[in-house]
Amino acid sequence: GAGVSQTPSNKVTEKGKYVELRCDPISGHTALYWYRQSLGQGPEFLIYFQGTGAADDSGLPNDRFFAVRPEGSVSTLKIQRTERGDSAVYLCASSPHREGTQYFGPGTRLLVL
Amino acid sequence: EDQVTQSPEALRLQEGESSSLNCSYTVSGLRGLFWYRQDPGKGPEFLFTLYSAGEEKEKERLKATLTKKESFLHITAPKPEDSATYLCAVQAEISGGSNYKLTFGKGTLLTVNP
Repeated sequence: GAGVSQTPSNKVTEKGKYVELRCDPISGHTALYWYRQSLGQGPEFLIYFQGTGAADDSGLPNDRFFAVRPEGSVSTLKIQRTERGDSAVYLCASSPHREGTQYFGPGTRLLVL
Repeated sequence: EDQVTQSPEALRLQEGESSSLNCSYTVSGLRGLFWYRQDPGKGPEFLFTLYSAGEEKEKERLKATLTKKESFLHITAPKPEDSATYLCAVQAEISGGSNYKLTFGKGTLLTVNP
């Protein structure tokens, strides 16, 4: 079946701009996660949704980062006033339930100039 | 704070030369330990979940084992197509909490030469 998909695959923006990154989870998966991966590092947790609600947003670095999942399926990660330090690969994962295995998408490569 | 340390950072093997990757972890209580494979430019691909000390899982040339402090990923007779970064992650059990995030190590970059 179809895996987790993420769009766009690449995004180049200028410092100070607003960006939105989209994640389509595996159909029927109730849990959805966002992670950020810098070069040479493992993924770092940002936020976790169970259904429509953010159950854990402890990994969001500051209030420029926000994520939504209004209908319990697709999720959007929003970054305001982007900074060069936001450049990274943003990974989305979904699992069939909160204790299940997390399956990752291909990621969105964000470059802030 | 949960911590995961992977060693070595990089490993070069000749085809057929078996070896092991190490993942040491510190966690208040372990719900699960996960191994993923990541190819360049792609997202992590799930390999194994281990839940308790003494547990072992196998898939083709890979075998994962778990103790109370570390996990090993054994690679038997590797092939060039096994070249990738191998990531280890833990999911902590927090009493009364709802922690389901994964804490990852930095990974081991494995290169298998033909």
